[in-house]
Amino acid sequence: GQQLNQSPQSMFIQEGEDVSMNCTSSSIFNTWLWYKQEPGEGPVLLIALYKAGELTSNGRLTAQFGITRKDSFLNISASIPSDVGIYFCAGHIGTSGSRLTFGEGTQLTVNP
Amino acid sequence: NAGVTQTPKFQVLKTGQSMTLQCAQDMNHNSMYWYRQDPGMGLRLIYYSASEGTTDKGEVPNGYNVSRLNKREFSLRLESAAPSQTSVYFCASREGLAFFGQGTRLTVV
Repeated sequence: GQQLNQSPQSMFIQEGEDVSMNCTSSSIFNTWLWYKQEPGEGPVLLIALYKAGELTSNGRLTAQFGITRKDSFLNISASIPSDVGIYFCAGHIGTSGSRLTFGEGTQLTVNP
Repeated sequence: NAGVTQTPKFQVLKTGQSMTLQCAQDMNHNSMYWYRQDPGMGLRLIYYSASEGTTDKGEVPNGYNVSRLNKREFSLRLESAAPSQTSVYFCASREGLAFFGQGTRLTVV
């Protein structure tokens, strides 16, 4: 089946640093989604990407849909303590009814 | 703005007991999903429903059954709970973008 490899598994950074994480897939995806999960909560959607090469920003977050359609990147600039959480990439092929596959997550810790 | 609502939020079961996790969405989405989340393993798809009346197996369906009762509701049933099913369960619905419920923390002892 579809496999998503997300890296790094964890990151420990200082407040103010930039962060970069990525996902690669064994399959071509039509859509890439990035989520953040805080303790005790469900994942919350951050950014959605719909076409190869697309670069989308949401505040300090920027994500890109790789040209090969097999990868995606999420960058967080000038990190702050509330950025702490687990970040997940997700992707799917096809339409709304298709399987949505998740990466294993990147645990981000920001030291003040 | 309820979005996706899961019940219960917490549950403790004894091995062999059965229970049903409920999920309802008010966004008129066609697709609904059940995932389980275990430490270090991300979100793994148990079952999904592309539309009312259809269900399909995901990556880890064994030990579970689902029912797409109507467009709003998608339930997950454990017929005979096992300790390996101790996990956090998330329901999601999607029409383009996927939105998640708050999760059900299930412990099987």
